[in-house]
Amino acid sequence: GIQVEQSPPDLILQEGANSTLRCNFSDSVNNLQWFHQNPWGQLINLFYIPSGTKQNGRLSATTVATERYSLLYISSSQTTDSGVYFCAVRNSGNTPLVFGKGTRLSVIA
Amino acid sequence: GAGVSQSPSNKVTEKGKDVELRCDPISGHTALYWYRQSLGQGLEFLIYFQGNSAPDKSGLPSDRFSAERTGGSVSTLTIQRTQQEDSAVYLCASSFNPRVQAITYEQYFGPGTRLTVT
Repeated sequence: GIQVEQSPPDLILQEGANSTLRCNFSDSVNNLQWFHQNPWGQLINLFYIPSGTKQNGRLSATTVATERYSLLYISSSQTTDSGVYFCAVRNSGNTPLVFGKGTRLSVIA
Repeated sequence: GAGVSQSPSNKVTEKGKDVELRCDPISGHTALYWYRQSLGQGLEFLIYFQGNSAPDKSGLPSDRFSAERTGGSVSTLTIQRTQQEDSAVYLCASSFNPRVQAITYEQYFGPGTRLTVT
């Protein structure tokens, strides 16, 4: 099945810094989503981005489907950005998502 | 409702007991998914439903696990004779309402049920 690798596994930032999280996948996809899992365990939808570029406030994402990777950019990080960021993909229909192992982000004041 | 809801939010049970976890998907969503997340781990797929049928049960870890969905809406995940290794957060997600959104297949997750087997 499709494989998803995220990097880095852990990241510590000073408040106000920028960061880039990467997601590599092993096959073509029809769905790629970025999630933020907050300290209470809730998965928050950040982006649905099987291709192209999207921006939402301080966050933006780019997926280059032909090269099988996606990037999540966080600018001017805040302590509330802390948590685990997951990339998840699937390659057909409405089938289940395959998740990466996540990037654990800690933003310190 | 506005989002995916799950109940109970927390469940503590003794080893060997049966438990039922409930998921209410977003209204009109045709697909429903169960995942679980063990402490500090990523998400592991269990089973998904398209309507009331389950095309893929490949993630169920043992025959102690079963799930059903009725009326194309609510789903129940049942774990029989619970074991300590079943302790995890069980997450439900739903996707795709062709009457409301474009066909993006974007999945939306509920808050999860934290199961602790003692």
